Parts: sequence; C-alpha cells; structure tokens
Amino acid sequence: DAKTTQPNSMESNEEEPVHLPCNHSTISGTDYIHWYRQLPSQGPEYVIHGLTSNVNNRMASLAIAEDRKSSTLILHRATLRDAAVYYCTPGIYNQGGKLIFGQGTELSVKP
Amino acid sequence: GAVVSQHPSRVICKSGTSVKIECRSLDFQATTMFWYRQFPKKSLMLMATSNEGSKATYEQGVEKDKFLINHASLTLSTLTVTSAHPEDSSFYICSASLGSSYNEQFFGPGTRLTVL
Repeated sequence: DAKTTQPNSMESNEEEPVHLPCNHSTISGTDYIHWYRQLPSQGPEYVIHGLTSNVNNRMASLAIAEDRKSSTLILHRATLRDAAVYYCTPGIYNQGGKLIFGQGTELSVKP
Repeated sequence: GAVVSQHPSRVICKSGTSVKIECRSLDFQATTMFWYRQFPKKSLMLMATSNEGSKATYEQGVEKDKFLINHASLTLSTLTVTSAHPEDSSFYICSASLGSSYNEQFFGPGTRLTVL
C-alpha cells in the first residue's frame, strides 16, 4: 500500500497562509490524494481530495505535483480553529478507496 | 459535508462481555463503511471495509471473530467487540462513503471503549 511522509509538526501564525507538505512517492496512478484533519477525541474531518489537477474548496487548496509524488495542502489564512492533526492519505482505488493513514502533521496556530 | 453518527459515544464494560457500536449515515446512503481504531497519540488504523449486504473485508492482523462487522442497510453498520479484554480498550471510529473508489469518506465522532 502507498505510504505517506509528513512533517511531525508545524507552526503558523494566525491569519497567515500555511503550506502543509506530503510525500507519497509510491502512490499508484489511480489513487486519489485525500486530506483530513482531526481534533483530539473527535473523528477526522474531510478537507479536500484530488487526482491530478489542483483543487480548491471553501476550506483549502490542494496543489498536486506534476509527477504526483507529492502534494501540498494550503490553508490561505490560518485561524486558531485550524489547529489540528492533518493527515494526507491515498485512497486505494483498487480496494474500494480505503484510506491508509500515516502519522500526520500536528499544526499549531499562534495568535 | 455529510453527517455520520456513532452510538454510544463512550462505553465502559467488564472483561469478557461483548459491546456493540453503531455507525449511521444520516443524510446519504453509504454503500461502503469503514472501521478504524486509534490508540492515544497514534494515527488511525483501518480494521475493515464493509459493503452493504456482503461480508466485511478485514485488514491483516485483525481478528474477524473478535470484531464482528455487519452492514445490513445502506445507512447502518455495526461493530461488535466480542469477549472484550482490557487490550481492546481504544477509540473506535467509523466512516462512510458513497462507495466509489474516488469518493471522500465522512467520519463519525468516534466511540471510546474502556474494558475493565
């Protein structure tokens, strides 16, 4: 199964952009790249996902490298509520889209 | 996003008893549901994938007789931890998707199981 590598932790200042990187060099050509975030003692929350093209939604933007071996989640203006563990995970296409979670990046946001 | 609920949110039971956890998709039909467990300060570990009306597919190392999964309808999946022991204490989380391999998953709020 494809593995992902993310920094253990990152810090940001409130109202500044945040770029969260993820390496997924073994991802297959049909696996979507998903991003979720999780607060303590809560279930993960869907953020965004994409296959090849960059994607935007009301929460964030996803920039996918041309070779698909890495991607970057962009929070345009971090708020205190964005502090969470962010997980990048491939959706394994030939196994029903199952997600394989790595260790994630713990994002802290300073006021 | 779509809403997924879990019940109960927390449960404490004695060693040797069985515990059932329900996962419901409230506003969409979930062809596929997934069950995860999570230990403190750790990532989510996928336990099994269940498709409505068929047997669940368990991940390697997960005992199917220990963790019984039923997905009898498009809005309900259940996980039963049989003969629970203290090492089964964990945070159990379900998710639901529309079923296609490119769909996102919507997660429930989780169930905290403590086995005494």
